Amino acid sequence: GAGVSQSPSNKVTEKGKDVELRCDPISGHTALYWYRQSLGQGLEFLIYFQGNSAPDKSGLPSDRFSAERTGGSVSTLTIQRTQQEDSAVYLCASSLLGRDEQYFGPGTRLTVT
Amino acid sequence: AQSVTQLDSQVPVFEEAPVELRCNYSSSVSVYLFWYVQYPNQGLQLLLKYLSGSTLVKGINGFEAEFNKSQTSFHLRKPSVHISDTAEYFCAVTPRGGYNKLIFGAGTRLAVHP
Repeated sequence: GAGVSQSPSNKVTEKGKDVELRCDPISGHTALYWYRQSLGQGLEFLIYFQGNSAPDKSGLPSDRFSAERTGGSVSTLTIQRTQQEDSAVYLCASSLLGRDEQYFGPGTRLTVT
Repeated sequence: AQSVTQLDSQVPVFEEAPVELRCNYSSSVSVYLFWYVQYPNQGLQLLLKYLSGSTLVKGINGFEAEFNKSQTSFHLRKPSVHISDTAEYFCAVTPRGGYNKLIFGAGTRLAVHP
């Protein structure tokens, strides 16, 4: 079946612009996660959704970052007023409620110039 | 809080040689342990996981790992590597009973040479 998909695969933006990154989880997966992979910080947790609510936003690095999930499915990660340090690969993962395995998407590579 | 240390940032090895990628963790609570692999320009793929039971866990592609509670380690091994095993390998933990927020190590780049 279809895996986790993310769009766009690559995004180049100018400093100060807003960007939206999209994640389509595996159908039926109620849990959704965003991670960031950068050269300096490695793989970092950003936010966790259970259904449409986000009980853990502790990894969001600043108030410029926000995320939402609608219909218990698609999620959007928004970065406002992008900075060069936001350049990274943003990974989305999903899992069944109560299951342990997370399935990762291919990521969105964000470059802020 | 949890943390994961991967002791080697890079491991070069010749094809058909054995390899061990080391992982140590720190946690005040019991954890589940995972190894993920990332091929160039791809997402993460689960290699294997330890939840409970036998401390020797077998995964895909001929990899295995052994959980050692006293040493808080979860080293990954393969008896004979192939060129196609060249990739980045990540060790990760998550607290038992939680919602599986993964805490990753910094990764080990395995380079298999002919």
